[in-house]
Amino acid sequence: DAGVTQSPTHLIKTRGQHVTLRCSPISGHKSVSWYQQVLGQGPQFIFQYYEKEERGRGNFPDRFSARQFPNYSSELNVNALLLGDSALYLCASSFDRERDQPQHFGDGTRLSIL
Amino acid sequence: GQNIDQPTEMTATEGAIVQINCTYQTSGFNGLFWYQQHAGEAPTFLSYNVLDGLEEKGRFSSFLSRSKGYSYLLLKELQMKDSASYLCAVRSFDRGSTLGRLYFGRGTQLTVWP
Repeated sequence: DAGVTQSPTHLIKTRGQHVTLRCSPISGHKSVSWYQQVLGQGPQFIFQYYEKEERGRGNFPDRFSARQFPNYSSELNVNALLLGDSALYLCASSFDRERDQPQHFGDGTRLSIL
Repeated sequence: GQNIDQPTEMTATEGAIVQINCTYQTSGFNGLFWYQQHAGEAPTFLSYNVLDGLEEKGRFSSFLSRSKGYSYLLLKELQMKDSASYLCAVRSFDRGSTLGRLYFGRGTQLTVWP
């Protein structure tokens, strides 16, 4: 079975541009979460979606937005990019009632802002 | 808020045993996860504890004490390939939500020497 897939794997942008990152969850998983991981830090929660609705949001500015599609795939959008947005962006999927099941991560998109 | 602490770095030699500690302060606690992350790769799930006690999975074991807000990951018979960052993550259910979100520590970089 395919795991969580993310695209693109690497991306280089300049300040002020916008970016769209994509994620396909594991088949059967309805919940998708997005994380930002800056070098040397643990992942930080950005968003969680379930059944196309936002179910949680971390402490990120409104420049960050996301959505989930009927097939449970998801997009993360970041506008007006800043140098500090350079990071590894991770997508994780899980079942809805994840009481004893872990989130499974994709390989991430490494975003570099010049 | 959520506060998760773990050591930044640890070193050990092949064949040895190493214990990585994690302390946390959180509300709505619903489980603690350990992930392994090799450089440039996605975090991969290692273990999960929701009740007090020890969970053993081959060379890896994880312990949880909810009253003390404490967990550890024990790695036995260390191998060179175990050199990686080990992330402690607490799942917390925010008020009114049935979906838990993960809060990660900074990660412990383990280096295994021959």
